[in-house]
Formats: sequence, C-alpha cells, structure tokens
Amino acid sequence: DSGVTQTPKHLITATGQRVTLRCSPRSGDLSVYWYQQSLDQGLQFLIHYYNGEERAKGNILERFSAQQFPDLHSELNLSSLELGDSALYFCASSVGTSAHPYEQYFGPGTRLTVT
Amino acid sequence: AQSVTQPDIHITVSEGASLELRCNYSYGATPYLFWYVQSPGQGLQLLLKYFSGDTLVQGIKGFEAEFKRSQSSFNLRKPSVHWSDAAEYFCAVGGPLIQGAQKLVFGQGTRLTINP
Repeated sequence: DSGVTQTPKHLITATGQRVTLRCSPRSGDLSVYWYQQSLDQGLQFLIHYYNGEERAKGNILERFSAQQFPDLHSELNLSSLELGDSALYFCASSVGTSAHPYEQYFGPGTRLTVT
Repeated sequence: AQSVTQPDIHITVSEGASLELRCNYSYGATPYLFWYVQSPGQGLQLLLKYFSGDTLVQGIKGFEAEFKRSQSSFNLRKPSVHWSDAAEYFCAVGGPLIQGAQKLVFGQGTRLTINP
C-alpha cells in the first residue's frame, strides 16, 4: 500500500458525459501528479500540482482539467468523454522538495470505460 | 527529447532462473532512474531508484539495478525469480532537464511471465 488513495476504482460512463476522479496523496506529500495509461500510448504524464498550484502540464487534453485543494487532495475532471478516453488514470504523489523531487508513489488507479 | 526504451515487450523465464530486464534512456545529464512494477489490476509499486553515488542499487523483493552511464542503461536484475514476480515492469527517468518539471517519462514496459 503506497498510501495514495484513488476513488472510484472503476467508472463506466457514456460518450459525452463528464466524470471526476479523486486522489488523496500520502500524508505529508505536497505534490500530486496525474498519469494516463492506455494500451496504445503507454503511461503518459498529464499534469502536476504542488501545494495547490499547477506546476506543469503534459499531454492533457483541453477537455480535461484538474485542481488541488487546500487539504491537498486532487481531482481530475474529464468532460465530453470520447471512446478513446477509456484508460487507467493514475495519481501519484511525492514530497516535492528539492531533495528527491522525482520519487513518486502511485495510487491503485481508476479504470475509466467510456461506452 | 528525453526518452526510455525497454527493448523487450515480453519475457518468459522459469521459476528459479535469473532475470535481467533491459532499460536504455536518453537524457542530457545524469538522470534520476526508477523501476516500477505493476501487477494485474494494481497500481505501480516503486522497486528501486538511482539518484547518484553507487551505481548498483538494491531494491525491494530482491531486485537490483545497475546504472551504466557509458551505455545509457539501467538494467534490472534478480538472481532467482519467483512465480509472484510475474507482472509488468516499467523503467522511468526523471530530472530537471525534462520539460514538465517533476514528471517521469516511462518506457513501454516489459511483461514478465514465469514458467513453473
């Protein structure tokens, strides 16, 4: 158990809909990262938040957005869903300091199926 | 651009045999290197990491990896595999040269099958 929690575990929804994925980082971690894992693209970085502020964006679609709240949990919002958005979405957290900023701990993931 | 290549998509070894999973990276300086393992239906678990210093790093579950700068490699090894090691293994690179700050760049993964 990494200490990172994600809800829900599974999500089945229809095209055009909007969903919210939730992540709680490990206790004490200030950084939250979102990744998408699909068969054709592999593991792709989406976005990074540090202590409530967006720090970096990766291959994140405009239909997707995220935020990190004062209690440090994060939500990833996916809207106007398409079949191709079906994937496993991971949240990871790290301490986020200059010491070991890249050591990330992953949650169990949310499997999104768009029908 | 920074990248990670795992040349072997799928490897099958017998239980008790030794294992080596290959990882090659492209990065403009000394990278931070990681190996993660993903069991079916599970998240990614950090096996080991290299930041600096001793180029042979020990991880959990009896795994080790060796950083070879001259070969841009960070291969994962285990002297004797167990059936429970069957999983997908991912090599990743991080570092300040990667656009996107603290993100990790992952290889495509190597699926390990263990024969009884």
